Amino acid sequence: QSVLTQPPSVSGAPGQRVTISCTGSSSNIGAGYDVHWYHQVPGTAPKLLIYGNSNRPSGVPDRFSGSKSGASASLAISGLQAEDEADFYCQSYDSSLSVVFGGGTKLTVL
Amino acid sequence: QVQLQESGPGLVKPSQTLSLTCTVSGGSISSGSYYWSWIRQSAGKGLESIGHIYTSGSTNYNPSLKSRVIISLDTSKNQFSLELSSVTAADTAVYYCARRIRGSYGMDVWGQGTTVTVSS
Repeated sequence: QSVLTQPPSVSGAPGQRVTISCTGSSSNIGAGYDVHWYHQVPGTAPKLLIYGNSNRPSGVPDRFSGSKSGASASLAISGLQAEDEADFYCQSYDSSLSVVFGGGTKLTVL
Repeated sequence: QVQLQESGPGLVKPSQTLSLTCTVSGGSISSGSYYWSWIRQSAGKGLESIGHIYTSGSTNYNPSLKSRVIISLDTSKNQFSLELSSVTAADTAVYYCARRIRGSYGMDVWGQGTTVTVSS
């Protein structure tokens, strides 16, 4: 069981907006630790999508946005495209500064 | 551009020690402020952090694996390594190495991953 909780799956039609939640506790996100997001196409390595709660690495489209409030964080994807289909993971830290991940969310573009 | 590449045996017997190496190219492992990390992913499952080693040599391990894990740096070879002892079938996974910049930057560079199977 993962430390951070994500919905197992989300779906949306092309062009729509979807959000993926990441719920932690007072021991991790709620303690003020930042959240990062990764996307992973099955069979390949994860790639950094959002860092420091809401920042996009160079090359990541602005259709992807992140936010954090209290002990939770969210990833929003607008203008959904077929190539967005992937697994998405949130990541933060716990009080011992160990890295913790969410269980992952599979995005299906209908 | 920094690149990471995992290497090591793809098959390990139960109770033995799993040993993997991550070779860093395109940059020095000992310069800058980086956390060199190991992450694994069991088939059909999510990501699990194993631990990391800082440029200075200090380490941090997943509490659930701490008693069996050693991560080390070899600056002469520009590599860092993972040793996981007393393995069982539950340790079968794809193992990734990754780089994290100190501060709130996430893991920005990943290796392609290597599959390790624990079986007799």
